[in-house]
Order: sequence, then C-alpha cells, then structure tokens
Amino acid sequence: AQSVTQPDIHITVSEGASLELRCNYSYGATPYLFWYVQSPGQGLQLLLKYFSGDTLVQGIKGFEAEFKRSQSSFNLRKPSVHWSDAAEYFCAVGASWGKLQFGAGTQVVVTP
Amino acid sequence: DAGVIQSPRHEVTEMGQEVTLRCKPISGHNSLFWYRQTMMRGLELLIYFNNNVPIDDSGMPEDRFSAKMPNASFSTLKIQPSEPRDSAVYFCASSLQGSDTGELFFGEGSRLTVL
Repeated sequence: AQSVTQPDIHITVSEGASLELRCNYSYGATPYLFWYVQSPGQGLQLLLKYFSGDTLVQGIKGFEAEFKRSQSSFNLRKPSVHWSDAAEYFCAVGASWGKLQFGAGTQVVVTP
Repeated sequence: DAGVIQSPRHEVTEMGQEVTLRCKPISGHNSLFWYRQTMMRGLELLIYFNNNVPIDDSGMPEDRFSAKMPNASFSTLKIQPSEPRDSAVYFCASSLQGSDTGELFFGEGSRLTVL
C-alpha cells in the first residue's frame, strides 16, 4: 500500500532563512512525486513534481526538491524564505495523474 | 484563463438535508477528481472520472455520497442525507491525462458545515 509521511506538522522559520520540509513515502514501484502548497482559504497549487530523470527538480517560487530512492524521500527546500511562503505544504505520491495519496501536510510559519 | 470553478464556496446546512456541490473543470481536461479535506483525515480522494466515466469511487465514504459527471464541463457531488461528520472542505480538481505536465489543478473548495 502506498503512503506518505510528513514528519513535521508545524515549522517556524525566520524570513530569509532556509527551509527544508521532509517527505517519506512508501510505494511499490517508482512513484510520481509532487509537492503542493495551500494558502489559507485556497485550493492546492503545484510547486514541483518528479517522474524520472534528474533527481533534483526545480519548481516555482524558488523551491526545489530532491528524490532519494535509497531513503524513499522527496524533501522540499528553499534557500531563503519570504513572508509569502507561509502556508501549508503537502507531499503527494501516486501512479497516475490525480489519483494521489497526500501527506498530512506541514504548516510553515514565517517570522520577521 | 479560468481555473476549476466550484460552488458554493460555503454551505451551512442542518443534519438530514441534501447537499449538492458543483464543479466546472478546466476546459479541455479529461479527468476530474473530488477530494475531501478534514483536520482528522487530511486530503482524501473520494472519486475520480476519466472522460466523464467514474473510474474509481472506492474513496466514497458510504451510500449517502454520490457523484455524477453528465458532461465534460460539469460534475456534482451530492450528500443525502447529510450528517455533522460530513463537515469538511470538498475540493474538485481536474487534469489532462496523457499530457506530460502531470499537474492537478484544484478549485478553491467548498466548505461544508453540517449542524
């Protein structure tokens, strides 16, 4: 069975500091991996995705993620966060477009 | 360019009433998904359609829930009768299966409160 674990429910980071959000997955084959962001009262927006190839993927808003097969991880990073990055972030895994298993999410708070 | 459009954005109803949530996917997309988001269970896939045909409804909680997609530009999720535990945000999303972008586009959600 597929599953996604986001170990950190809540992260507080200072503006300008780096951010890393963890994601571990369990899946029988090579999965499609995604990171989505949700701002309050909004739907989810795709930040980036990994299907195959280069294990370091670049996304929108300055985010990147690295797929590590040996660790079953797909961690999201940003070198310098902005106040507008405060949101909830979801990692997701799936075999096909849209039929995704989402993690529980990580709430990111950005302090001045 | 219009995104996924959901209505109503907010719905407050009493237990036992029928609730209908509506979704208009992005034009040209051939797959449509209904997700439910709660604090306890996170995001759960309820059902998805491909070319207007329900493909997987294994996430639909029980018979009180039903979903239809009469055409490529419209879908409904109905709860009858509603119960307080159905209170959640219901998201509709669409995508283009077969494309190489793989992006699922979400609507802004319908927040349902059942009293």
